[in-house]
Amino acid sequence: NAGVTQTPKFQVLKTGQSMTLQCAQDMNHNSMYWYRQDPGMGLRLIYYSASEGTTDKGEVPNGYNVSRLNKREFSLRLESAAPSQTSVYFCASRRAGGVDTQYFGPGTRLTVL
Amino acid sequence: QQPVQSPQAVILREGEDAVINCSSSKALYSVHWYRQKHGEAPVFLMILLKGGEQKGHDKISASFNEKKQQSSLYLTASQLSYSGTYFCGTENRGGSNYKLTFGKGTLLTVNP
Repeated sequence: NAGVTQTPKFQVLKTGQSMTLQCAQDMNHNSMYWYRQDPGMGLRLIYYSASEGTTDKGEVPNGYNVSRLNKREFSLRLESAAPSQTSVYFCASRRAGGVDTQYFGPGTRLTVL
Repeated sequence: QQPVQSPQAVILREGEDAVINCSSSKALYSVHWYRQKHGEAPVFLMILLKGGEQKGHDKISASFNEKKQQSSLYLTASQLSYSGTYFCGTENRGGSNYKLTFGKGTLLTVNP
């Protein structure tokens, strides 16, 4: 089991460029999440998908879009990158709510110049 | 609603103890504790689901006081490997059971 995988590991963009961060899990989890982590801010939820076919906004969704491609994959798209989106992005998955916890991917370090 | 963690940072010598607190302004359904090493992903430590529940994991344990809407993480006889940032993630009663809200973290440094 690879758990939660993310690609790419590192990315540098110029302002205005677009890109998609990929996330996949092989644990047959129902729910998937995208967080961003900035110094001193903790982990802030961008978007989540409680189950295949559904997506919902989290705390900081502006400037992002998501696609739950199937049960395994959940992608995050930046349509027009801005320097404020420089951050570390973590994907996570969870079997269900309640007694189950979330497991995180290794992260993507994104710099927007 | 983001839970509040305290302290923001703590420095210990090997063998000393520490307590990290996590408080919520809303009634809690569950509390999840994670540790993150620099440059790595958060790693799950433990989950607490019931009021008054205490769990242990080696020399790291946690309690959940439902009435006070808070949880505490206890690190005893700290080791160098305990260094990192500790996060609590909470789910609130009456809210969605599908997402966690994380505190800003507590940076723990254990020195020899």
